[in-house]
Amino acid sequence: SAVISQKPSRDICQRGTSLTIQCQVDSQVTMMFWYRQQPGQSLTLIATANQGSEATYESGFVIDKFPISRPNLTFSTLTVSNMSPEDSSIYLCSVPGANSYGYTFGSGTRLTVV
Amino acid sequence: AQKITQTQPGMFVQEKEAVTLDCTYDTSDQSYGLFWYKQPSSGEMIFLIYQGSYDEQNATEGRYSLNFQKARKSANLVISASQLGDSAMYFCAMREGGNRDDKIIFGKGTRLHILP
Repeated sequence: SAVISQKPSRDICQRGTSLTIQCQVDSQVTMMFWYRQQPGQSLTLIATANQGSEATYESGFVIDKFPISRPNLTFSTLTVSNMSPEDSSIYLCSVPGANSYGYTFGSGTRLTVV
Repeated sequence: AQKITQTQPGMFVQEKEAVTLDCTYDTSDQSYGLFWYKQPSSGEMIFLIYQGSYDEQNATEGRYSLNFQKARKSANLVISASQLGDSAMYFCAMREGGNRDDKIIFGKGTRLHILP
């Protein structure tokens, strides 16, 4: 299964600023997924990033708030823009794998907005 | 409407006992996949087991098995001989359609506590 390097692992940010999260995969993948996990909650899909096209956002998430880049088949970034304390969450990237291996997840970015 | 329903927010189980974590799903697709993940307090997402909608046998992986009841749209995770290290959040997830590159969505999760 793929190995994902996600950075940063955590950050404390001032409200109104932006943070860019990076995920680097050790193999080429068509799709990458970005999730948000609010404190004590489950994972909610933000968007699907397909190389060469604009990301597809889930209901409740917009590109202006969560712009995504996917410049090649091994890398993606998610930016959390104009942050507010409500954006304090863990953000995770994920890539699909063979069914027997499931989807691989990055180690997550724990974001605190103050 | 929720696609994945996990009705047990929390469970307490004695060590060495078997435990069943419930998951029901809702889809009109004939081809779909069901996944279970474990999330310990460290936050990492650990893949446990996969069941395809066309798989006739229940999936098993070591102490984990998936009780797949297609007509009931149920995919319960069974952990045999529970261990203290099994204490964690457990998420059921589903991928709709037959494309292995498609997104998966998660249930709300069950927090499992194993008691010594």
